[in-house]
Amino acid sequence: AIRITQSPSSLSASTGDRVTITCRASQGISSYLAWYQQKPGKAPKLLIYAASTLQSGVPSRFSGSGSGTDFTLTISCLQSEDFATYYCQQYYSYPPSFGGGTKVEIK
Amino acid sequence: EVQLVETGGGLIQPGGSLRLSCAASGFTVSSNYMSWVRQAPGKGLEWVSVIYSGGSTYYADSVKGRFTISRDNSKNTLYLQMNSLRAEDTAVYYCARQVEQQLRSWFDPWGQGTLVTVSS
Repeated sequence: AIRITQSPSSLSASTGDRVTITCRASQGISSYLAWYQQKPGKAPKLLIYAASTLQSGVPSRFSGSGSGTDFTLTISCLQSEDFATYYCQQYYSYPPSFGGGTKVEIK
Repeated sequence: EVQLVETGGGLIQPGGSLRLSCAASGFTVSSNYMSWVRQAPGKGLEWVSVIYSGGSTYYADSVKGRFTISRDNSKNTLYLQMNSLRAEDTAVYYCARQVEQQLRSWFDPWGQGTLVTVSS
C-alpha cells in the first residue's frame, strides 16, 4: 500500500497569508493526487485533482503542483473561509490512501 | 444537482450488525464507481470499500470478511452491511462517487456522513 506523509499536521496563519502544505508519497504516483478541504462537522470537499487541476467553482487562490512523489497545495491569500483541515489523497493504486491532514488555524 | 444522503448509523454493541444506506440523486449509482470512506472521531480519512460499475467489489484489509458493499439499482442506492462490529469501527461513514479519468478516479461528491458508534 502507498503511504502518504502530509506536513505540517497543523499551522497557524493570518488572513492574507500565503500557505503551503506538502504531501509525499512512499512511491511514485505520477499526478494521481487529489486535495480536499474539510470543515468541522462537514464532509470533505474536492479542491484539486490530477495534482494541479482546480475543481469547478473552487477559488483561484488555491493551486496544486507536483508529480511523482512530492506534491504541494498553496493558498495564495488566505481568507477567513479557508480555515479548515486539508487532506491529500493518492488514487494511483488501490487501496486509495490519504495524508494525515493539515489543520489551518487562525493565528 | 448531484447529491448523496447517508442513513442508518447509530449506537450498536460490539459484535452487532448494522446496514448503512446512501441514496443518490442527480446521477446513476450503477454507472459509477462508488466507495465508502470513514473517519474515526478526531482522526483522518480511511477508505473502506468500493463497488465498480461492473459489480466487482474491493475492501480494506481492516474490514474484509466483515463488511459487504452492494447497491440496489432500482432505488439508486448504495449500501454497506457491517457485521461483527468492533470498537475500532466507530466512525463517521461517508459514501462518495468516484470520478474516473485515465482509468483512475478521485472522490466527488461526498455525502454528509452517518455516525456509527460501537460500544457496550
